[in-house]
Amino acid sequence: AQRVTQPEKLLSVFKGAPVELKCNYSYSGSPELFWYVQYSRQRLQLLLRHISRESIKGFTADLNKGETSFHLKKPFAQEEDSAMYYCALSPPGSSNTGKLIFGQGTTLQVKP
Amino acid sequence: NAGVTQTPKFRVLKTGQSMTLLCAQDMNHEYMYWYRQDPGMGLRLIHYSVGEGTTAKGEVPDGYNVSRLKKQNFLLGLESAAPSQTSVYFCASRLRGAKNIQYFGAGTRLSVL
Repeated sequence: AQRVTQPEKLLSVFKGAPVELKCNYSYSGSPELFWYVQYSRQRLQLLLRHISRESIKGFTADLNKGETSFHLKKPFAQEEDSAMYYCALSPPGSSNTGKLIFGQGTTLQVKP
Repeated sequence: NAGVTQTPKFRVLKTGQSMTLLCAQDMNHEYMYWYRQDPGMGLRLIHYSVGEGTTAKGEVPDGYNVSRLKKQNFLLGLESAAPSQTSVYFCASRLRGAKNIQYFGAGTRLSVL
């Protein structure tokens, strides 16, 4: 079954420390991967897509097809990065539905 | 341009009561989705719609019904609420053929006692 796994419910780091939020997926094809973020009292929003190969707010994510992972990284965490982060997958062939499969979410807490 | 708007924001129901959650989007998006968010479970798709007049089941459809009579609205109904339906409900929409990006509403927090 298609599945997205975020093994950490909570990740707590100090300001300025590196951050890595883990995401593993189980799918044999070439899915499209995303990271969505939900800041306190704000709605869920897209952070980045693997297709775009972009860096948003200092975050990057590399798709590793061999390890079926899409970990989110930032070299120096800021307090404003504190939020809930969701990894999501769009299976190949789902363009006619746009469905996403979400992971369980990881709460990132950046301490001063 | 309000984006995706959900009403109500909060609701408390007694077991067995019914209610309808409304999702409205003003972006002319074809695709719309209803999710529920539960601790440790992430977001799970309840139902979705790829266009006006069409709906389909998602991952956890039992106990819910939906309707998409107008392109801009997607309604989620609970006919007989159960405590297991206590959750935060999110609506999202997406433009067909464009970047695969979903836009979310602010959520509805529902408690069933």
